Amino acid sequence: GAVVSQHPSRVICKSGTSVKIECRSLDFQATTMFWYRQFPKQSLMLMATSNEGSKATYEQGVEKDKFLINHASLTLSTLTVTSAHPEDSSFYICSAAGQWNTEAFFGQGTRLTVV
Amino acid sequence: GDSVTQMEGPVTLSEEAFLTINCTYTATGYPSLFWYVQYPGEGLQLLLKATKADDKGSNKGFEATYRKETTSFHLEKGSVQVSDSAVYFCALSASNYGQNFVFGPGTRLSVLP
Repeated sequence: GAVVSQHPSRVICKSGTSVKIECRSLDFQATTMFWYRQFPKQSLMLMATSNEGSKATYEQGVEKDKFLINHASLTLSTLTVTSAHPEDSSFYICSAAGQWNTEAFFGQGTRLTVV
Repeated sequence: GDSVTQMEGPVTLSEEAFLTINCTYTATGYPSLFWYVQYPGEGLQLLLKATKADDKGSNKGFEATYRKETTSFHLEKGSVQVSDSAVYFCALSASNYGQNFVFGPGTRLSVLP
């Protein structure tokens, strides 16, 4: 399958700071990227869907001003957690899909810890 | 809304044991069903899928059948190996290929030699 690389795999940041997570499609053009969040022992929950060059569509209950998503190119999407708080600590994972409703491939995820 | 329920883990088995991980779903319409696997330190990988009722998905010795009457998609393998130790996620999607998913909570499987 296609390769999606997510960076960093782990990050620890101080409360009040911002942290950026990158999601890259290495061998295909990703017209659509998805961002998920997983709380401990819970399911992955879709946060937002982004199409290249357009604003992201956020799921109900997800604060768009807190979780900034940028999908400026066909190979890169970024998720920035702004003014992070300990309750933002979680596992974040992205997936990317090409054109024509093709399969979405997942990154390896990012473990964010806010102290 | 749509949802997926799967058995709570962790599941611990001896090598060559039979594996079943139960998965049931609720959905409007006719979703496609998927099993994803996450090995330690890696991303989710598609294990198998089924796009319509009575379809059987299979891969690497794993099988699951889309049962519309019981809204289930249970994962089975006849003889597990240590290398099968991972977290398994059941998921549904309105897309046949699978894009924005609704995931179950995941089941951690440990296989002991």
